[in-house]
Amino acid sequence: EVQLVESGGGLVQPGRSLRLSCTASGFTFGDYAMSWVRQAPGKGLEWVGFIRSKAYGGTTEYAASVKGRFTISRDDSKSIAYLQMNSLKTEDTAVYYCTRDLIRYSYGNAFDIWGQGTMVTVSS
Amino acid sequence: EIVMTQSPATLSVSPGERATLSCRASQSVSSNLAWYQQKPGQAPRLLIYGASTRATGIPARFSGSGSGTEFTLTISSLQSEDFAVYYCQQYNNWPLYTFGQGTKLEIK
Repeated sequence: EVQLVESGGGLVQPGRSLRLSCTASGFTFGDYAMSWVRQAPGKGLEWVGFIRSKAYGGTTEYAASVKGRFTISRDDSKSIAYLQMNSLKTEDTAVYYCTRDLIRYSYGNAFDIWGQGTMVTVSS
Repeated sequence: EIVMTQSPATLSVSPGERATLSCRASQSVSSNLAWYQQKPGQAPRLLIYGASTRATGIPARFSGSGSGTEFTLTISSLQSEDFAVYYCQQYNNWPLYTFGQGTKLEIK
């Protein structure tokens, strides 16, 4: 079964850091671009950033709201994607979803697989 | 940044009837448009990509149309499990993916 499982969420104070993990199974993780999408309580979906597969350099792109504070990385040997979040703000409070790019060996497409999400609460 | 605007915000429809949801882009996104369904407490699910291609396992009652700036998601005969929030997403202007604000489809 193709699956993504996020972990690492929790309560953190403003200005602190947190790292989320996304563990993949059921497919060849290294062949796909991966994205993070978040959803604030009662709000809509907001794309956070993505990482290309190693075939495309493993490079990353970010939304303006998180650029310079968040970093996405991947460990293909463990089938895990990471979201390192630094200098957290109260407005970063959200459920964070890990997603897979629809098309293998590509990027810049829709997201066909989503994890169940992990909640991050930024509060003092 | 491309802004995606969905209408209406809430749509009330009776089971068995047709539902039509709209999504408008602030500039052309060609056919690089996806639709997602989200039920309470669940992750979004991909329904449609490429504006009109159903994702794997999606029933035929879901259909998408449009190109450029105007898009429509149609559910031909609503089932009880279809009542949810629907989001459109453009991926033409990647890497700056943007989502619409969502349409809540509720039982009339």
